[in-house]
Amino acid sequence: EPEVTQTPSHQVTQMGQEVILRCVPISNHLYFYWYRQILGQKVEFLVSFYNNEISEKSEIFDDQFSVERPDGSNFTLKIRSTKLEDSAMYFCASSPGAGATGANVLTFGAGSRLTVL
Amino acid sequence: AQKVTQAQTEISVVEKEDVTLDCVYETRDTTYYLFWYKQPPSGELVFLIRRNSFDEQNEISGRYSWNFQKSTSSFNFTITASQVVDSAVYFCALRERGSNSGYALNFGKGTSLLVTP
Repeated sequence: EPEVTQTPSHQVTQMGQEVILRCVPISNHLYFYWYRQILGQKVEFLVSFYNNEISEKSEIFDDQFSVERPDGSNFTLKIRSTKLEDSAMYFCASSPGAGATGANVLTFGAGSRLTVL
Repeated sequence: AQKVTQAQTEISVVEKEDVTLDCVYETRDTTYYLFWYKQPPSGELVFLIRRNSFDEQNEISGRYSWNFQKSTSSFNFTITASQVVDSAVYFCALRERGSNSGYALNFGKGTSLLVTP
C-alpha cells in the first residue's frame, strides 16, 4: 500500500538553528500538506501546496516557515530559526487531485518529532 | 471558534463494551467533508472514513459504524465490542468547500480511548 514517508523520525536541535523536515508523498498525489501537533494537543494545519506553490496557509505558518518541492518526489518544511514553541510532531500528508478516487482523503506520514532545546 | 468539537477528552471502557465517540461540527458551507482519523500510541494518523455533506447514509465497517446527522451537525463514531487494540486517540475533522484549494482539514481536539482487558 502506498505510503507517505518522513525523515527524520526525531530531531533534536538548539534554539535558533535551522531545521529541514523531509517528506516523500505518494507518487501520484497532487496536493501536499504539513500539519503539526504539539504534545497532547490537536493536529493543526500549517500549509498546503499544489502545482508548485502554496495554496493555503494558516496563521501559524509565518515567515519562519517555508516549503519547497525541490524535485519530483520530495516535499520539505524548513524552519529558519527554531523557537522552543516549535517543539512538536510534524506530519506531512498528501492527497490525490480533484475527481480522482480518494480525492479529499489525506494520507499522513508517521511524523517527525522536533525537539527544540 | 471551534469548528469541530469533540467534547469527550478521555473515555475508558472494558473490552467488549460498545463505545460512541461524539463529534459536533460547525460550518456555513453546504458542501463539506467529514473525517475520522485514528492515532494509535505509535503516533501515526490513520484514515478511517470520509463522509460528504450530501450523503447522510450511515456506514458500517466491521465493528465500526458512523452516524451522520446534519440536523444536529453531528458525526458520531461507534465501536462495537471494543478491543484493546482500539486504544488510541480518535480525531474528527472537517474540510469545508470554502477553502481555496488543498483540502486543508480542521481537526477536533481528539478523544483518547482506553480499552482495558
